[in-house]
Amino acid sequence: QQPVQSPQAVILREGEDAVINCSSSKALYSVHWYRQKHGEAPVFLMILLKGGEQKGHEKISASFNEKKQQSSLYLTASQLSYSGTYFCGTERTDYKLSFGAGTTVTVRA
Amino acid sequence: NAGVTQTPKFRILKIGQSMTLQCTQDMNHNYMYWYRQDPGMGLKLIYYSVGAGITDKGEVPNGYNVSRSTTEDFPLRLELAAPSQTSVYFCASSQPGQGAHGYTFGSGTRLTVV
Repeated sequence: QQPVQSPQAVILREGEDAVINCSSSKALYSVHWYRQKHGEAPVFLMILLKGGEQKGHEKISASFNEKKQQSSLYLTASQLSYSGTYFCGTERTDYKLSFGAGTTVTVRA
Repeated sequence: NAGVTQTPKFRILKIGQSMTLQCTQDMNHNYMYWYRQDPGMGLKLIYYSVGAGITDKGEVPNGYNVSRSTTEDFPLRLELAAPSQTSVYFCASSQPGQGAHGYTFGSGTRLTVV
């Protein structure tokens, strides 16, 4: 079952912050986050395993609340290069990812 | 390292034709996957493989077939192409158990069925 992402789209000015949410109705083993630029392949950002850890990639960080089966991706002090579509991928115990529909982030100067 | 290599990058098929999308990885990953991405949508799993000789269906396997004779190669076969198979196809690989086992994706094959 595919996770639900919100919001569908967000427009930011450089330097602003944003949060993207990902939720699942099933118990999860891990959550992945990917970014896809237009016409390109998705690129892995980070993985969060059971345990509620928080990780970071540049000024992008994420958290995973395994009790609520929710993950959030935090874009801090956004840069033009952060523009793209962000996908969460949820994994149960079989190493297969189910992807959300994506959140399109547009960062403007 | 080349990572995951997909060929061709673009292809136009006529309804009823068949073709094979090629995927090769040089990272010695055991796990490989085929996803399709329709415009403005997320990725849907077609087939996956956990090692040479082992394949299994994903969410949307109808109209496709796969084989995995080697660790490196995971071709996707389309039989009797239909307009509904117009999509961008991504192959990916991963190696669970090696730290942060994110997927590495190929650059994709854009397929149009007319």
